[in-house]
Amino acid sequence: KQEVTQIPAALSVPEGENLVLNCSFTDSAIYNLQWFRQDPGKGLTSLLLIQSSQREQTSGRLNASLDKSSGRSTLYIAASQPGDSATYLCAVISDMRFGAGTRLTVKP
Amino acid sequence: GAGVSQSPSNKVTEKGKDVELRCDPISGHTALYWYRQRLGQGLEFLIYFQGNSAPDKSGLPSDRFSAERTGESVSTLTIQRTQQEDSAVYLCASSLDPGRGYTFGSGTRLTVV
Repeated sequence: KQEVTQIPAALSVPEGENLVLNCSFTDSAIYNLQWFRQDPGKGLTSLLLIQSSQREQTSGRLNASLDKSSGRSTLYIAASQPGDSATYLCAVISDMRFGAGTRLTVKP
Repeated sequence: GAGVSQSPSNKVTEKGKDVELRCDPISGHTALYWYRQRLGQGLEFLIYFQGNSAPDKSGLPSDRFSAERTGESVSTLTIQRTQQEDSAVYLCASSLDPGRGYTFGSGTRLTVV
């Protein structure tokens, strides 16, 4: 059974800092992986989707990488802003499994 | 529709009552998923529908939970004889196909009192 882990569970950084969120999965035979953000009391907003044949995807200040052989994905956020404060979740879509999320706080 | 629509957005029910939660996926999306998110916790998979195939019910926590989907449109999640531990946000997602990623609705917050 696929297990998805996100470390750290919570992260607090000052505005402007670059940061990396980590996602690991136990079964490397994945089809794709998706990163989401969730604001308090809200649903999930898709950020980036990486197919298994890709190594990374970029959208604005966000860059997600995928290394199937090591069972890892990272979400890189450049020049963080207070509006980036949210919980970030990764999901192995083909196995319908989510990590528990990293709660990010960006302080002005 | 333009997005995944869930109703109601909030539901308060008394312990022991039955509730029905509704999900209207994006038009044309063949895949539909239900998840549960308890307060402060991650997403727990409940059930998956893909086209006209038999649904994957492997995540349903007990026989009090059931779900139906009419063709490739609306789905309803039914919880019978609700318990306090059923209190959670129930999230629905749809996908054009499993490889295209999820689009989520805003969820239904269920409170059992």
